Amino acid sequence: GNSVTQMEGPVTLSEEAFLTINCTYTATGYPSLFWYVQYPGEGLQLLLKATKADDKGSNKGFEATYRKETTSFHLEKGSVQVSDSAVYFCALSGGNRDDKIIFGKGTRLHILP
Amino acid sequence: SQTIHQWPATLVQPVGSPLSLECTVEGTSNPNLYWYRQAAGRGLQLLFYSVGIGQISSEVPQNLSASRPQDRQFILSSKKLLLSDSGFYLCAWKHRLPTEKLFFGSGTQLSVL
Repeated sequence: GNSVTQMEGPVTLSEEAFLTINCTYTATGYPSLFWYVQYPGEGLQLLLKATKADDKGSNKGFEATYRKETTSFHLEKGSVQVSDSAVYFCALSGGNRDDKIIFGKGTRLHILP
Repeated sequence: SQTIHQWPATLVQPVGSPLSLECTVEGTSNPNLYWYRQAAGRGLQLLFYSVGIGQISSEVPQNLSASRPQDRQFILSSKKLLLSDSGFYLCAWKHRLPTEKLFFGSGTQLSVL
């Protein structure tokens, strides 16, 4: 079945550092890929998405490119801020009209001032 | 606009007692509905999802069940709670297309003692 694997956390970086959080997936068909974020004390919300191969999703300075050849959707940001401290979840949806939404285990990110 | 309500926010129950968590969605029709459990180190685990009234797909064999008696109502139940049922339970909804994002409720923190 479908699955999502993302890098273990926690990840600790200094402010203005470059961020990469790896995400790879296994799926049949053509899934849509998502990154969700959970800020401290807040609910889960969509950060960005990509719905077909080579699409790039972007939001709040974060980017991720849907790479079908490597089955990856890595999250990147060029210069992180303290306010980016949160838990980040990679997820996939669909493929063969599947309604399941599968999440990775989440990566906790700490940004130090 | 669409809203999702999930209650209660916290719940403390003894082992062996029944459980009923309710989730309702307003402002949309025919949503896909989901129950997830969030536990440290295990990320977001999909428990059940539903694409219509009375249609329930179970993802993880366990002590829980789900029902969808109305289009915008999703209920998570158990006849006899186990210690291992403790966790943070999230309800979510989305439009039918696989490319659409999930909208999450505020969650229920369940402690089984």
